[in-house]
Amino acid sequence: SQQGEEDPQALSIQEGENATMNCSYKTSINNLQWYRQNSGRGLVHLILIRSNEREKHSGRLRVTLDTSKKSSSLLITASRAADTASYFCATDEGTYKYIFGTGTRLKVLA
Amino acid sequence: EPEVTQTPSHQVTQMGQEVILRCVPISNHLYFYWYRQILGQKVEFLVSFYNNEISEKSEIFDDQFSVERPDGSNFTLKIRSTKLEDSAMYFCASSFDLAGVEETQYFGPGTRLLVL
Repeated sequence: SQQGEEDPQALSIQEGENATMNCSYKTSINNLQWYRQNSGRGLVHLILIRSNEREKHSGRLRVTLDTSKKSSSLLITASRAADTASYFCATDEGTYKYIFGTGTRLKVLA
Repeated sequence: EPEVTQTPSHQVTQMGQEVILRCVPISNHLYFYWYRQILGQKVEFLVSFYNNEISEKSEIFDDQFSVERPDGSNFTLKIRSTKLEDSAMYFCASSFDLAGVEETQYFGPGTRLLVL
Protein backbone atom coordinates (compact mmCIF):
# COMPACT_ATOMS: atom_id res chain seq x y z
CA SER A 1 0.00 0.00 0.00
CA GLN A 2 1.03 3.60 -0.44
CA GLN A 3 2.14 6.09 2.19
CA GLY A 4 -0.82 7.12 4.32
CA GLU A 5 -3.42 4.50 3.53
CA GLU A 6 -6.58 4.62 5.60
CA ASP A 7 -8.97 1.86 6.33
CA PRO A 8 -11.76 1.28 6.16
CA GLN A 9 -12.47 3.20 2.97
CA ALA A 10 -16.02 3.77 4.13
CA LEU A 11 -17.72 3.50 7.51
CA SER A 12 -21.36 3.91 8.40
CA ILE A 13 -22.44 4.08 12.04
CA GLN A 14 -25.35 5.22 14.18
CA GLU A 15 -25.23 8.50 16.04
CA GLY A 16 -23.75 7.98 19.50
CA GLU A 17 -21.50 5.12 18.44
CA ASN A 18 -17.74 5.36 18.26
CA ALA A 19 -15.89 5.47 14.94
CA THR A 20 -12.37 4.17 14.49
CA MET A 21 -10.27 4.84 11.43
CA ASN A 22 -6.80 3.50 10.79
CA CYS A 23 -3.87 4.79 8.81
CA SER A 24 -0.72 2.97 7.75
CA TYR A 25 2.40 4.47 6.29
CA LYS A 26 5.70 3.26 4.90
CA THR A 27 8.58 5.59 5.76
CA SER A 28 9.89 7.21 8.93
CA ILE A 29 8.02 10.32 9.95
CA ASN A 30 8.42 13.32 12.21
CA ASN A 31 4.71 13.67 12.73
CA LEU A 32 1.33 12.58 11.45
CA GLN A 33 -1.72 14.76 11.07
CA TRP A 34 -5.41 13.97 10.76
CA TYR A 35 -7.72 16.15 8.70
CA ARG A 36 -11.45 16.22 8.05
CA GLN A 37 -13.01 17.19 4.76
CA ASN A 38 -16.68 17.79 4.26
CA SER A 39 -17.89 17.00 0.77
CA GLY A 40 -16.26 19.32 -1.75
CA ARG A 41 -14.93 21.62 0.94
CA GLY A 42 -11.58 22.49 2.51
CA LEU A 43 -9.41 20.46 4.85
CA VAL A 44 -9.87 21.06 8.54
CA HIS A 45 -6.96 20.17 10.77
CA LEU A 46 -7.91 17.88 13.65
CA ILE A 47 -4.80 16.67 15.45
CA LEU A 48 -1.03 16.50 14.96
CA ILE A 49 0.83 13.72 16.73
CA ARG A 50 4.62 13.65 16.83
CA SER A 51 6.69 10.54 16.32
CA ASN A 52 7.70 10.50 20.00
CA GLU A 53 4.07 10.60 21.16
CA ARG A 54 1.87 7.56 21.51
CA GLU A 55 -1.53 9.05 22.17
CA LYS A 56 -3.20 12.42 21.96
CA HIS A 57 -6.68 13.68 22.79
CA SER A 58 -8.72 16.60 21.61
CA GLY A 59 -12.32 16.75 22.75
CA ARG A 60 -14.07 13.66 21.38
CA LEU A 61 -11.04 12.73 19.29
CA ARG A 62 -8.33 10.31 20.32
CA VAL A 63 -5.34 9.59 18.12
CA THR A 64 -2.78 6.87 18.68
CA LEU A 65 0.52 6.35 16.92
CA ASP A 66 2.55 3.15 16.78
CA THR A 67 5.80 3.89 15.00
CA SER A 68 6.95 0.28 15.24
CA LYS A 69 3.93 -0.75 13.18
CA LYS A 70 3.89 2.47 11.18
CA SER A 71 0.25 2.97 11.92
CA SER A 72 -2.11 5.45 13.53
CA SER A 73 -5.73 5.38 14.52
CA LEU A 74 -8.34 8.09 14.95
CA LEU A 75 -11.19 7.41 17.34
CA ILE A 76 -14.25 9.65 17.37
CA THR A 77 -16.36 8.97 20.44
CA ALA A 78 -20.09 9.57 20.74
CA SER A 79 -20.38 10.42 17.06
CA ARG A 80 -22.82 13.00 15.75
CA ALA A 81 -24.42 13.48 12.37
CA ALA A 82 -22.18 16.53 11.94
CA ASP A 83 -19.14 14.23 12.03
CA THR A 84 -20.14 12.89 8.62
CA ALA A 85 -17.13 13.67 6.42
CA SER A 86 -14.00 12.16 4.92
CA TYR A 87 -11.05 11.75 7.23
CA PHE A 88 -7.47 11.75 6.01
CA CYS A 89 -4.15 11.09 7.61
CA ALA A 90 -1.10 12.93 6.31
CA THR A 91 2.52 12.03 6.98
CA ASP A 92 5.52 14.24 6.54
CA GLU A 93 8.11 11.76 5.24
CA GLY A 94 10.77 13.67 7.16
CA THR A 95 10.30 16.79 5.05
CA TYR A 96 7.81 19.63 4.99
CA LYS A 97 5.60 18.06 2.36
CA TYR A 98 2.74 15.92 3.52
CA ILE A 99 1.53 12.78 1.83
CA PHE A 100 -2.18 12.22 2.18
CA GLY A 101 -3.95 8.92 2.26
CA THR A 102 -7.03 8.01 0.30
CA GLY A 103 -9.29 8.76 3.24
CA THR A 104 -12.10 7.13 5.15
CA ARG A 105 -15.63 8.27 4.30
CA LEU A 106 -17.57 8.35 7.54
CA LYS A 107 -21.34 8.51 7.55
CA VAL A 108 -23.11 9.00 10.87
CA LEU A 109 -26.78 8.17 10.73
CA ALA A 110 -29.15 10.14 12.93
CA GLU B 1 -8.70 32.71 14.75
CA PRO B 2 -6.26 33.34 11.86
CA GLU B 3 -7.02 31.43 8.69
CA VAL B 4 -5.71 30.85 5.20
CA THR B 5 -7.84 32.46 2.51
CA GLN B 6 -7.97 31.70 -1.20
CA THR B 7 -9.44 33.45 -4.21
CA PRO B 8 -11.29 32.81 -6.36
CA SER B 9 -13.41 30.03 -4.91
CA HIS B 10 -14.22 28.81 -8.42
CA GLN B 11 -12.48 29.40 -11.73
CA VAL B 12 -13.53 28.22 -15.17
CA THR B 13 -11.04 28.58 -17.99
CA GLN B 14 -10.41 27.39 -21.52
CA MET B 15 -7.68 24.87 -22.25
CA GLY B 16 -4.43 26.64 -23.03
CA GLN B 17 -5.23 29.72 -20.96
CA GLU B 18 -3.16 30.93 -18.04
CA VAL B 19 -4.66 30.98 -14.57
CA ILE B 20 -3.41 32.48 -11.33
CA LEU B 21 -4.71 31.16 -8.05
CA ARG B 22 -4.24 33.38 -5.06
CA CYS B 23 -3.72 32.65 -1.41
CA VAL B 24 -3.19 34.71 1.69
CA PRO B 25 -1.39 32.51 4.24
CA ILE B 26 -1.60 33.04 7.98
CA SER B 27 0.36 36.22 8.61
CA ASN B 28 3.16 34.95 10.85
CA HIS B 29 3.74 31.70 8.99
CA LEU B 30 6.95 31.08 7.09
CA TYR B 31 6.23 27.99 4.96
CA PHE B 32 3.66 27.92 2.20
CA TYR B 33 2.33 25.06 0.16
CA TRP B 34 0.09 24.18 -2.74
CA TYR B 35 -1.77 20.90 -2.97
CA ARG B 36 -4.38 19.70 -5.40
CA GLN B 37 -7.21 17.21 -5.26
CA ILE B 38 -8.71 15.82 -8.41
CA LEU B 39 -12.36 15.00 -7.89
CA GLY B 40 -12.73 11.79 -5.92
CA GLN B 41 -9.00 11.32 -5.47
CA LYS B 42 -6.49 11.94 -2.71
CA VAL B 43 -4.89 15.26 -1.89
CA GLU B 44 -1.54 15.56 -3.71
CA PHE B 45 1.41 17.72 -2.77
CA LEU B 46 2.56 20.15 -5.46
CA VAL B 47 5.13 22.49 -3.96
CA SER B 48 6.49 24.01 -0.76
CA PHE B 49 7.96 27.50 -0.52
CA TYR B 50 10.18 29.09 2.10
CA ASN B 51 12.30 32.20 2.22
CA ASN B 52 11.18 33.22 -1.27
CA GLU B 53 12.19 30.04 -2.97
CA ILE B 54 10.84 26.59 -3.68
CA SER B 55 11.84 24.07 -1.00
CA GLU B 56 10.38 20.98 -2.60
CA LYS B 57 8.21 20.11 -5.53
CA SER B 58 6.52 16.99 -6.76
CA GLU B 59 6.66 15.44 -10.21
CA ILE B 60 3.28 17.03 -10.88
CA PHE B 61 4.81 20.50 -10.55
CA ASP B 62 6.31 20.74 -14.01
CA ASP B 63 7.36 23.76 -16.07
CA GLN B 64 3.74 24.77 -16.56
CA PHE B 65 3.49 25.63 -12.87
CA SER B 66 5.12 28.45 -10.97
CA VAL B 67 4.72 30.01 -7.54
CA GLU B 68 5.40 33.49 -6.33
CA ARG B 69 5.14 35.61 -3.24
CA PRO B 70 4.68 38.98 -4.91
CA ASP B 71 4.31 40.93 -1.68
CA GLY B 72 4.26 40.37 2.06
CA SER B 73 0.88 38.71 2.14
CA ASN B 74 -0.03 36.92 -1.08
CA PHE B 75 1.18 33.56 -2.36
CA THR B 76 0.21 32.63 -5.91
CA LEU B 77 0.15 29.55 -8.09
CA LYS B 78 0.28 30.12 -11.83
CA ILE B 79 -0.54 27.54 -14.45
CA ARG B 80 0.77 28.85 -17.76
CA SER B 81 -1.17 26.80 -20.26
CA THR B 82 -3.94 24.83 -18.64
CA LYS B 83 -4.81 21.30 -19.66
CA LEU B 84 -8.04 19.41 -19.12
CA GLU B 85 -6.30 17.27 -16.49
CA ASP B 86 -5.50 20.37 -14.43
CA SER B 87 -9.15 20.46 -13.40
CA ALA B 88 -9.07 19.97 -9.65
CA MET B 89 -9.47 21.64 -6.29
CA TYR B 90 -6.30 23.54 -5.42
CA PHE B 91 -5.49 24.06 -1.77
CA CYS B 92 -3.04 26.49 -0.28
CA ALA B 93 -1.58 25.80 3.16
CA SER B 94 0.83 27.46 5.53
CA SER B 95 2.80 26.41 8.59
CA PHE B 96 5.50 27.45 11.09
CA ASP B 97 5.18 30.61 13.08
CA LEU B 98 8.15 32.78 13.94
CA ALA B 99 9.00 30.64 16.95
CA GLY B 100 9.50 27.73 14.57
CA VAL B 101 7.52 25.26 16.62
CA GLU B 102 4.15 25.11 14.87
CA GLU B 103 4.31 22.23 12.41
CA THR B 104 0.61 22.03 11.71
CA GLN B 105 -0.32 22.84 8.13
CA TYR B 106 -3.43 24.98 7.96
CA PHE B 107 -5.36 24.74 4.75
CA GLY B 108 -7.43 27.28 2.91
CA PRO B 109 -10.93 26.52 1.58
CA GLY B 110 -9.60 25.78 -1.90
CA THR B 111 -10.12 27.02 -5.45
CA ARG B 112 -12.07 24.73 -7.72
CA LEU B 113 -10.54 24.97 -11.18
CA LEU B 114 -12.41 23.68 -14.20
CA VAL B 115 -10.61 23.56 -17.53
CA LEU B 116 -12.87 23.25 -20.58
